[in-house]
Amino acid sequence: AQSVTQLDSQVPVFEEAPVELRCNYSSSVSVYLFWYVQYPNQGLQLLLKYLSGSTLVKGINGFEAEFNKSQTSFHLRKPSVHISDTAEYFCAVSHSMDSNYQLIWGAGTKLIIKP
Amino acid sequence: DTGVSQDPRHKITKRGQNVTFRCDPISEHNRLYWYRQTLGQGPEFLTYFQNEAQLEKSRLLSDRFSAERPKGSFSTLEIQRTEQGDSAMYLCASSTAGYGYTFGSGTRLTVV
Repeated sequence: AQSVTQLDSQVPVFEEAPVELRCNYSSSVSVYLFWYVQYPNQGLQLLLKYLSGSTLVKGINGFEAEFNKSQTSFHLRKPSVHISDTAEYFCAVSHSMDSNYQLIWGAGTKLIIKP
Repeated sequence: DTGVSQDPRHKITKRGQNVTFRCDPISEHNRLYWYRQTLGQGPEFLTYFQNEAQLEKSRLLSDRFSAERPKGSFSTLEIQRTEQGDSAMYLCASSTAGYGYTFGSGTRLTVV
């Protein structure tokens, strides 16, 4: 069965510092990988996705993520965070052979920006 | 394209009452999903429609929950005889090929 592990429930970081949010998945077959952001009292917004091709994926708001098949990871990075990046970030996986593309979600990581 | 709309944004109801939520997906999206999210957790899949057909239901969706998408456009999620454990954010999402959903802002249900 597929699962997604977000290793950190909270990540505090100073403004303008770099950040990495970790995501590991388990799957025996090919996967599609996603990162979503959720601002307080809002729905989820797609940040970026990996479907195939280049393992370095660039998304919105200056975020990027790297797919590492051997380590089954899809960590999210930003070189310099802003106070507006304060939100909860969710990693999700879709089974590529699954006809309904149901997403399996991690528990989320709260990014806390310290001024 | 106005995105995915959910109504209402907030609902407070007494235990035992019935509630209904509405979701209007992006018009060209044929797939529609309902998820439930409790505090500190990722979304949990509830059900999935392709056009008007409900193709999958989670075991989380007890007999008190029912969802419809009568004409393959908007969808409703009804919870009968609400319980305090039903308190959560109910999220609707739509997609075409499923490569990344567009979510609505959610309906936050509080059962008192």
